[in-house]
Order: sequence, then structure tokens, then C-alpha cells
Amino acid sequence: DIQLTQSPSTLSASVGDTVIITCRASQSISRWLAWYQQKPGKAPKFLIYKASNLEGGVPSRFSGSGSETVFTLTISSLQPDDFATYYCQHYNTYSPTFGQGTKLEIK
Amino acid sequence: EVVLEESGGGVVQPGGSLRLACAASGFIFSDYWIHWVRQVPGKGLVWVSRIKGDGSSTNYEASVRGRFTISRDNTKETLYLHMSSVRAEDTALYYCARERDYGPAEPFDLWGQGTMVTVSS
Repeated sequence: DIQLTQSPSTLSASVGDTVIITCRASQSISRWLAWYQQKPGKAPKFLIYKASNLEGGVPSRFSGSGSETVFTLTISSLQPDDFATYYCQHYNTYSPTFGQGTKLEIK
Repeated sequence: EVVLEESGGGVVQPGGSLRLACAASGFIFSDYWIHWVRQVPGKGLVWVSRIKGDGSSTNYEASVRGRFTISRDNTKETLYLHMSSVRAEDTALYYCARERDYGPAEPFDLWGQGTMVTVSS
């Protein structure tokens, strides 16, 4: 099975900062990667598909990039609403997998 | 409004059984693959199982295969997860999630709020 490893596990930042979260796959997954945001007590929210395509309604300060085994989620000009946990996901497989999550905290 | 709503969680003894349900509304339920994803409080997301729109194909995560059964009743627009021989490590919040209908395999664009399962004697 393909493993996804996110880094860092925790990230402290301030409103207005730009942050980058990395997701590494144990083998090539082309661009079959999605990103989700989860806030405490809430279900995950779908943000990005095929590594870099924003789901409708997602603010443009979110962007994704990468292919094969290394992917990034960049959040520019952090807003208070962005502090949450972020997960990457490999799909296009009979057994989807998630990264372990990156918690974005307010510094 | 497009909604998934889980129910059926609770406390179950080790080795026991429980059936979770996920009621859908606001979309053509039978058009979509639907998944179960679980999350131990404070931990990450773990995919559990999936079922095709017409119920003809299913897949399971290795640790639940042979113990859990996913099914659906499209006339009732409801997904099920029958959990048997449960273990302490099955304790988690269980989400149902809809796979987007744009291609053969897609990410999850709609999630329920989850139902909590606690395995304890």
C-alpha cells in the first residue's frame, strides 16, 4: 500500500503569513492527490484535487502543487479561519489513504 | 440541501456487533460511490470501506476485512456498515463520505458529521 507522510506535523504561524505543508508518497501517485481541511469537532472539508485544482468555493489563497511523490499545499496570507488540521489523500485507488495530518496553529 | 447523516453509533462490547447507517438526501444517491472513514479522537483519518453506486463492488481496509460489511439500500438512500467481532481498536468516530462523480476514482466532496463507536466492556 502507498503511504503518505506529511511534514511538519505541527506548524505555528501568524495571521498574514504564508505556510507550506508537504506530503510525500512512498511511490509515484502521478497527481492523484487531494487536500482536506478539518476543524475541531467538524468533518473534513475538501479543498484541492489532482494536486493543484481548487474545489469550487475554496479561497484562492490556497494552492497545491507537485506530482509523482512530492506535493505541497501552500496557504498565502493566512486568515484566522485557516487555523485547522490539513490532510493529504491519495485517491484513484481501491484503497484510498490519508497522510497523518498537519496541525496549523496560531503563533 | 445535500446532506449525509450518520447514526447507529454507541458503546459495544469487544466481540460484539453494531450497525451504522448513513442517510443521504439532496442528490441521486445511487449515482455515487460512498465510503466509510474513521477517526480516533485526536488522531488522523483512516479509510475503512467503499461501495459502488449500484452496490455491485465493495472494498475494505485490511484490518476490517472479514469483520465489517458495507451495504446500501438505494430505495431508502441509506448506506450501512455492519461491524462484527469488534475490537478496542475499532473505537473511533465513523464518517460516511461521498466520492465525487467526475471519473473512475475521485476525492470525497461531501462528508457527514460522524457517529461515535466505543468498544468497551
